[in-house]
Amino acid sequence: GAVVSQHPSWVICKSGTSVKIECRSLDFQATTMFWYRQFPKQSLMLMATSNEGSKATYEQGVEKDKFLINHASLTLSTLTVTSAHPEDSSFYICSARDGAGFEWETQYFGPGTRLLVL
Amino acid sequence: GEDVEQSLFLSVREGDSSVINCTYTDSSSTYLYWYKQEPGAGLQLLTYIFSNMDMKQDQRLTVLLNKKDKHLSLRIADTQTGDSAIYFCAETAAINFGNEKLTFGTGTRLTIIP
Repeated sequence: GAVVSQHPSWVICKSGTSVKIECRSLDFQATTMFWYRQFPKQSLMLMATSNEGSKATYEQGVEKDKFLINHASLTLSTLTVTSAHPEDSSFYICSARDGAGFEWETQYFGPGTRLLVL
Repeated sequence: GEDVEQSLFLSVREGDSSVINCTYTDSSSTYLYWYKQEPGAGLQLLTYIFSNMDMKQDQRLTVLLNKKDKHLSLRIADTQTGDSAIYFCAETAAINFGNEKLTFGTGTRLTIIP
């Protein structure tokens, strides 16, 4: 149980285009999903927290117009990197929390999406 | 803000025990986690411990928590080559229900020596 998927697993795009990354909880309802960014050989940086049906809460320094988050259902959250530039190249990881489960505190992570912007 | 520190590297011979250490500063930490990240992959939850516990064992994994010193450790018994990965400790505080965030350590890269 507690499986989180991400799609795509990797994407290469041209500078200036937008890229959408999907995060799905496969066997539970995720009331809260998180988006992280990981630079090479570094830890995870929380970008934003999204609760189903409401606007995402962005961490300080994260541009909300650049990184659009939509948590339209209890099993799907999307992160859209708008007008991507080479500096947006990174490994993006989502996590989901089963708000109805016993271990409601626990976050389950997706496999990550590697974005390369040329 | 909260801070979580780990050593960056650890090398262990195959078959020996690995001990990965973590220190944190948030005295209101409620849950502490250990995650494993293999190359190019996401994070796999290994185990977690609630702050009112001082030890938790799960097969080859033993977690020790010293709340007074804010020190967490993960012991992997009989380390195997498949244990090679980066191990992250993380903490969260249940201060605001529904708004908890994970704070991650810097990660420890575990290398197994044949």
